[in-house]
Amino acid sequence: EDKVVQSPLSLVVHEGDTVTLNCSYEVTNFRSLLWYKQEKKAPTFLFMLTSSGIEKKSGRLSSILDKKELFSILNITATQTGDSAVYLCARRGRDDKIIFGKGTRLHILP
Amino acid sequence: DAGVTQSPTHLIKTRGQQVTLRCSPKSGHDTVSWYQQALGQGPQFIFQYYEEEERQRGNFPDRFSGHQFPNYSSELNVNALLLGDSALYLCASSYGQGNEQFFGPGTRLTVL
Repeated sequence: EDKVVQSPLSLVVHEGDTVTLNCSYEVTNFRSLLWYKQEKKAPTFLFMLTSSGIEKKSGRLSSILDKKELFSILNITATQTGDSAVYLCARRGRDDKIIFGKGTRLHILP
Repeated sequence: DAGVTQSPTHLIKTRGQQVTLRCSPKSGHDTVSWYQQALGQGPQFIFQYYEEEERQRGNFPDRFSGHQFPNYSSELNVNALLLGDSALYLCASSYGQGNEQFFGPGTRLTVL
């Protein structure tokens, strides 16, 4: 079974800090790498990465994919308490199956 | 425009019982995927439905079955419930393959 490994599993920082979340994956049948934010129940889509080395940005969030080393990072700058959530990384295969990691639980202290 | 909706919100069952969870996809979407998310874990893919047929399946036993209706809504059925089936069950819809999946709020199932 393909694996997606996220690190760290949990992280506590102060408001205003910058955080980097890591995601490594196995390459079988790869189509894209996905990032989601999960606060209460429904994961909400953040980024879809298909090409290596191209950074995607949305406000204070950015993400990049390295297809050679099989990993992705999600950066959040100038963190706010509203960024507290579980961040999920997932690998989407050509068969459209999505394999999720366990997530990184991020807590931002005011 | 309503997003993905799921019912019920919460459900409590006892071991051995059967349960049916329901999902209505986002307007314009024709593909529905189901996931099981245990506490502290990422969602695990159960199966995907398209054109009323199961198209992909994850590593779940036959106790887990589903159905998609002509209006693209879907049901997840779980028979002979086990304590380990307690989880948040998420439904996600998309238009075709390879496109962004939108998740519903989930159904929290507790098996006693």
